[in-house]
Amino acid sequence: GAVVSQHPSRVICKSGTSVKIECRSLDFQATTMFWYRQFPKQSLMLMATSNEGSKATYEQGVEKDKFLINHASLTLSTLTVTSAHPEDSSFYICSASRGQGEDGYTFGSGTRLTVV
Amino acid sequence: KQEVTQIPAALSVPEGENLVLNCSFTDSAIYNLQWFRQDPGKGLTSLLLIQSSQREQTSGRLNASLDKSSGRSTLYIAASQPGDSATYLCAVISGTYKYIFGTGTRLKVLA
Repeated sequence: GAVVSQHPSRVICKSGTSVKIECRSLDFQATTMFWYRQFPKQSLMLMATSNEGSKATYEQGVEKDKFLINHASLTLSTLTVTSAHPEDSSFYICSASRGQGEDGYTFGSGTRLTVV
Repeated sequence: KQEVTQIPAALSVPEGENLVLNCSFTDSAIYNLQWFRQDPGKGLTSLLLIQSSQREQTSGRLNASLDKSSGRSTLYIAASQPGDSATYLCAVISGTYKYIFGTGTRLKVLA
């Protein structure tokens, strides 16, 4: 089945630094990937749609200059949290689909970001 | 705007009970609906995917039903076990292939 790998699984960084999270589709190509954020005891909220070869589409209220998304190949999307602050501490998770989503999307294992 | 609600928010049951988790959505124009399990601090494990043309899906002790017209889905867990303890999330997929997640049900099965 489709496998999505996300790295790192956990990261602790200092306030003001940047952190990059990778999302890879291991056995299929994905023209579209999605990035979600989950705060403690809350559900997942869509942040942005990552499109291969073009700019990402951000949901309302998500700062595109803070959360940089790059989808340079059909198997890799990256999310960079720039100038991280403690309020950016969250669980970030990506998803991808082999096709148009008719068989559902596969989710990565997530990244726990802690900004100190 | 699509909104997805799950009831109950939390549930604690003794081992062996059959239980039903509920998911409701406001816009019936969905592409499909998917149930996930999430363990604390972990990612999502897909349980069942129901396409909009389907009424239900079954996998082992799990059965999920979908009633698009009423905007409801249920996840039935038979003979619950302590290992079933987790948060269960339903998500609807719109025509733009975006997932809208429900608020989740935190399940605890007591041994």
